[in-house]
Amino acid sequence: DSGVTQTPKHLITATGQRVTLRCSPRSGDLSVYWYQQSLDQGLQFLIQYYNGEERAKGNILERFSAQQFPDLHSELNLSSLELGDSALYFCASSVGRNRNYGYTFGSGTRLTVV
Amino acid sequence: AQTVTQSQPEMSVQEAETVTLSCTYDTSESDYYLFWYKQPPSRQMILVIRQEAYKQQNATENRFSVNFQKAAKSFSLKISDSQLGDAAMYFCAYRSEYNNNDMRFGAGTRLTVKP
Repeated sequence: DSGVTQTPKHLITATGQRVTLRCSPRSGDLSVYWYQQSLDQGLQFLIQYYNGEERAKGNILERFSAQQFPDLHSELNLSSLELGDSALYFCASSVGRNRNYGYTFGSGTRLTVV
Repeated sequence: AQTVTQSQPEMSVQEAETVTLSCTYDTSESDYYLFWYKQPPSRQMILVIRQEAYKQQNATENRFSVNFQKAAKSFSLKISDSQLGDAAMYFCAYRSEYNNNDMRFGAGTRLTVKP
């Protein structure tokens, strides 16, 4: 157990639908990062939050949004889903200030859009 | 923007032998951090080893070591005494010291370990 909790582990939904992925960071970590990993691909950065505020945006589609709540958990909302959105979505957390420690990843949410 | 390149999509090694995975990166920054992550079939991302750019000494973690060549912007991973459990995707990653932005990952190298 890495300490980063992602739910659900698997999600199957139809095109056009909306889903919410949830992430609880490791205790003490203030930063949360969301990544998308399509089949046999690398990790694409979507968005970062630090202590409730958005800090950086990557290649995140307008149909996607995220937020970080006061208790530091984060949610990634995916709407108007398309077949191409099928992927493994990772949440990672870090202490925020010390960049030496890298990220701690959750086990991911596998989204399948049918 | 920083980019990370892993030029070997696939590698294989015989059990108990040594293998080296390549990684190069492009940056204009002088301070940064480099990482190797392992992704086994379970898809969990596991940190293998890290290197601070200001340190000349190469990082070592048990059977895993790196060859960090700052001038060449190269950061290779050596796995000694390869074990069946080392079979996985390996991702090289770069993290800036200065920006609030994300960790940048290479495309990955799939390592197969032959018994």
